Amino acid sequence: AQTVTQSQPEMSVQEAETVTLSCTYDTSESNYYLFWYKQPPSRQMILVIRQEAYKQQNATENRFSVNFQKAAKSFSLKISDSQLGDTAMYFCAFMKKYSGNTGKLIFGQGTTLQVKP
Amino acid sequence: GAVVSQHPSWVICKSGTSVKIECRSLDFQATTMFWYRQFPKQSLMLMATSNEGSKATYEQGVEKDKFLINHASLTLSTLTVTSAHPEDSSFYICSALEWETQYFGPGTRLLVL
Repeated sequence: AQTVTQSQPEMSVQEAETVTLSCTYDTSESNYYLFWYKQPPSRQMILVIRQEAYKQQNATENRFSVNFQKAAKSFSLKISDSQLGDTAMYFCAFMKKYSGNTGKLIFGQGTTLQVKP
Repeated sequence: GAVVSQHPSWVICKSGTSVKIECRSLDFQATTMFWYRQFPKQSLMLMATSNEGSKATYEQGVEKDKFLINHASLTLSTLTVTSAHPEDSSFYICSALEWETQYFGPGTRLLVL
């Protein structure tokens, strides 16, 4: 069974600074996806970034980038130039790929990030 | 990105009544949709996987007769909370699967009095 662990329940960062959220996972699968989702106070879940395990290049999306370490089973999210609108709960998630894939996500516990002015 | 809507966004009902929540994929067809429940400051808890044209697959511990799921078309899945009780009060979120990525609706806040 797959598990996803986010060891930082809460974090804070000053506006315009950089912050890194940690995520580790455990799986015996070789083909899978990893995701970061953001849930702001509105509670709408928003896809931040997606990484395919077979791609060595780290995914980036504007100010958001990941550090994907497959061997270490680590998938951290870096937010550069933090903005007040980045205040949210962030979830790391795992999905198996290919045969037998039901599309299910395995979520971490979440990290609440507060960006301070 | 893909857009998923949910209706209603807020519902208050009396204990013992049934409530239906709709989840629609607006700009894509979704063979598979998911229903989650979320308590404040906690992660999402998967309730069931909804597949178009077939019976939903429920997670362990979720009462099938209480949480009825119907996925009648490629753009619509519904969750009906039957004989709702105060302990069913929660935030319910749906998602739809497209190209191996889940896209989420805005959620429904259910309060059972």
